[in-house]
Amino acid sequence: DTEVTQTPKHLVMGMTNKKSLKCEQHMGHRAMYWYKQKAKKPPELMFVYSYEKLSINESVPSRFSPECPNSSLLNLHLHALQPEDSALYLCASSQDGTGTTEAFFGQGTRLTVV
Amino acid sequence: RKEVEQDPGPFNVPEGATVAFNCTYSNSASQSFFWYRQDCRKEPKLLMSVYSSGNEDGRFTAQLNRASQYISLLIRDSKLSDSATYLCVVKGGAYNTDKLIFGTGTRLQVFP
Repeated sequence: DTEVTQTPKHLVMGMTNKKSLKCEQHMGHRAMYWYKQKAKKPPELMFVYSYEKLSINESVPSRFSPECPNSSLLNLHLHALQPEDSALYLCASSQDGTGTTEAFFGQGTRLTVV
Repeated sequence: RKEVEQDPGPFNVPEGATVAFNCTYSNSASQSFFWYRQDCRKEPKLLMSVYSSGNEDGRFTAQLNRASQYISLLIRDSKLSDSATYLCVVKGGAYNTDKLIFGTGTRLQVFP
């Protein structure tokens, strides 16, 4: 099973709303990622959690707040977003922190900010 | 300079053609390398890992040249179903082994 599950698949939110994106994997992977992807562009790294600790924050605005409640779950809390934050948000996981293992992606949450 | 760079697309090729994609990376401490495929409005999916000795999976061959910091993907006997964006991915570095960086991607369109 190489499944990473993301919910919701689609989300429309206003600029004053607070919402959360969820990601779950049961492969025992210890690294989990959030990426943002705009149309016709490659995925852009936002955050990496390694062994449930935030190891990389690619200078992401504070209106995006990641959380890793346990080794299987990863959340992305959204608050006061802008229309330009509309994008596909992808979650991924990889086995461990050795740098040698591939990552598996969820189907993504397509976010529209209105 | 971007950390991972790829050929600018798109590549438009007929069925049965052989097509090659190239990728260069800037961080010499990078540890592992992959090719992913992404269909329109879908998530990236692993196509193959890339090893220094080169590796082949059916019609797909990947090569890595660490000295030149260069990765390639060769697709033989292209099929219509190969139409997608191909993403070169580099993982690891001096400060964080988990960092996974995507190249700009190359769009392939195979026509009948």
